[in-house]
Amino acid sequence: QSVLTQPASVSGSPGQSITISCTGTNTDVGRYNYVSWYQQHPGKAPKLIIYDVTNRPSGVSGRFSGSKSGNTASLTISRLQADDEGDYYCGSYTSFSSLVFGSGTTVTVL
Amino acid sequence: QVQLQESGPGLVKPSETLSLVCTVSGDSISSHFYWGWIRQPPGKGLEWIGIIYHNGVTYYSPSLKSRLSISVDMSENQFSLRLYSVTAADTAIYFCARVMVAGLTGDYWGQGALVTVSS
Repeated sequence: QSVLTQPASVSGSPGQSITISCTGTNTDVGRYNYVSWYQQHPGKAPKLIIYDVTNRPSGVSGRFSGSKSGNTASLTISRLQADDEGDYYCGSYTSFSSLVFGSGTTVTVL
Repeated sequence: QVQLQESGPGLVKPSETLSLVCTVSGDSISSHFYWGWIRQPPGKGLEWIGIIYHNGVTYYSPSLKSRLSISVDMSENQFSLRLYSVTAADTAIYFCARVMVAGLTGDYWGQGALVTVSS
């Protein structure tokens, strides 16, 4: 199956909010409420920040929130901070009993 | 605190077999989670490889299924990856992860191991 579509880059100033989209199909994002989001800093492993579309793991800042409409999921980062810079990936359960990741988005804090 | 650690050769020759082991601490391999592998070619995005449950049930990426084997060793609290007939396209950082049963989300990840395929 193909990767989910994300914008290559998103940027914002400190304190602003940004939103990253993740577009799939009716066999993955559109079919299941099993969308996850991962933050990855250079040279580090991905870190789970959102699961099951809207849930935050313990310890993850409330500035991160997730949503979904149809075949598109979104991650919003509020009150942007310098440490939010990095790569962000979405992931979705698929009807093939597998997981598919997004193409990745680089977030830049201006 | 759940921790995962990948180990194995960092260099594999083309056409040979890539083998990695993931050692789990802070949780039992027999707990109600899958255990999985994800890879990331240098400078590129994440690719899901496959998962295993402690009873041996596996789910593999359709694109890798013909060359892939994932197994579990409950006595050592480890699980393993074998990728056969590798090419340069298999050069990547390989991550192991604990995976939620519902939705296949990876909630804890290892630090990753770079495997280079080259003669």
